[in-house]
Amino acid sequence: QQQVKQSPQSLIVQKGGISIINCAYENTAFDYFPWYQQFPGKGPALLIAIRPDVSEKKEGRFTISFNKSAKQFSLHIMDSQPGDSATYFCAADSGGYQKVTFGTGTKLQVIP
Amino acid sequence: DAGVTQSPTHLIKTRGQQVTLRCSPKSGHDTVSWYQQALGQGPQFIFQYYEEEERQRGNFPDRFSGHQFPNYSSELNVNALLLGDSALYLCASSSQGAGETQYFGPGTRLLVL
Repeated sequence: QQQVKQSPQSLIVQKGGISIINCAYENTAFDYFPWYQQFPGKGPALLIAIRPDVSEKKEGRFTISFNKSAKQFSLHIMDSQPGDSATYFCAADSGGYQKVTFGTGTKLQVIP
Repeated sequence: DAGVTQSPTHLIKTRGQQVTLRCSPKSGHDTVSWYQQALGQGPQFIFQYYEEEERQRGNFPDRFSGHQFPNYSSELNVNALLLGDSALYLCASSSQGAGETQYFGPGTRLLVL
């Protein structure tokens, strides 16, 4: 049973544009929501993470927006660059157990 | 400071065989988690080791087993390999005292023929 739904499956964005990836979860016990970036042949790398007590978190060009009542969260990549081309996974964890549930991934391509 | 390391990088096995994958956690980390990532999918949690014991387990059969050593390194064993076990196996390490942040290794690509 998929507990974290992610969309879109793939995304093409012009350089300098905004990339937006959306996720929804079902388990209300989740209390930690990380985003991972994965390049081909590499393991996922933590990009940014949020807890449900805040509605937004920004780190550089990356922003997470969180809607607790709707059980949805999204990643915004501002001023997207070709180097951002990778697969992005949203994820969720509960109670600090570090048993992370991943979404299905979004393959982002930023074209010049 | 070395990050999470895994060996081997690639492996080819045939159905029915057994395989052992290895992981060395990031320095200072005491918890190791294993994930299976099928092609085009997100990683799926297999199990987690802390203090040399399996602390949590995902929805994987008993063919998947593991071990953690006193130096916190870990092994993942898969018996009676099936074609469907072909995947990237990821190891992630973390510290119990430092929140939820997990650091992933580059993975071992397993192909079962």
